[in-house]
Amino acid sequence: ETGVTQSPTHLIKTRGQQVTLRCSSQSGHNTVSWYQQALGQGPQFIFQYYREEENGRGNFPPRFSGLQFPNYSSELNVNALELDDSALYLCASSLGTGEAKNIQYFGAGTRLSVL
Amino acid sequence: AQKVTQAQTEISVVEKEDVTLDCVYETRDTTYYLFWYKQPPSGELVFLIRRNSFDEQNEISGRYSWNFQKSTSSFNFTITASQVVDSAVYFCALIDSNYQLIWGAGTKLIIKP
Repeated sequence: ETGVTQSPTHLIKTRGQQVTLRCSSQSGHNTVSWYQQALGQGPQFIFQYYREEENGRGNFPPRFSGLQFPNYSSELNVNALELDDSALYLCASSLGTGEAKNIQYFGAGTRLSVL
Repeated sequence: AQKVTQAQTEISVVEKEDVTLDCVYETRDTTYYLFWYKQPPSGELVFLIRRNSFDEQNEISGRYSWNFQKSTSSFNFTITASQVVDSAVYFCALIDSNYQLIWGAGTKLIIKP
């Protein structure tokens, strides 16, 4: 158990809809990162939040957006869903971004299916 | 560019055999960190080890050991006396100067009883 919880565990949406995924970070962790993992592939970095500010972004379009709250929990929002958005979405929390604090602990993920 | 390569897509061994998972990385950074994670069928990525680029000492943790060689840009992972519970997908990853994890494609390890 990493203490990182994600909800929901599974979700089915149709093309064009919007979705919000949620993540509660491990106690004491102020940094949250989001990843997309397609079937049979490694995770792809979406973005990271550090103390409520976006701290880096991967190669994802603006329809992928996020938010981090004062308690360091986080949301990932995806607008105008496309079939290729079907994937496992993973959230990870860490103590910070510094070199001594960069171990990321992952939740179990949200499996999103877009039909 | 930062890159992590895990050339072995899938490995299958019989229980109690030793198995080595290969990881080769590319980076321009002089300071970097390398990681191994395990992903069982449940999907949750489990942290196994972090290695600093300045620390080339090999590490052993129970049946697990890691061989870090900067000269060949490799960070290989060996499981000794494998067990069925070791079956999972194993990922090697590199953290870049922006603190983003760059992942390999993973190696699926199958341990047969």
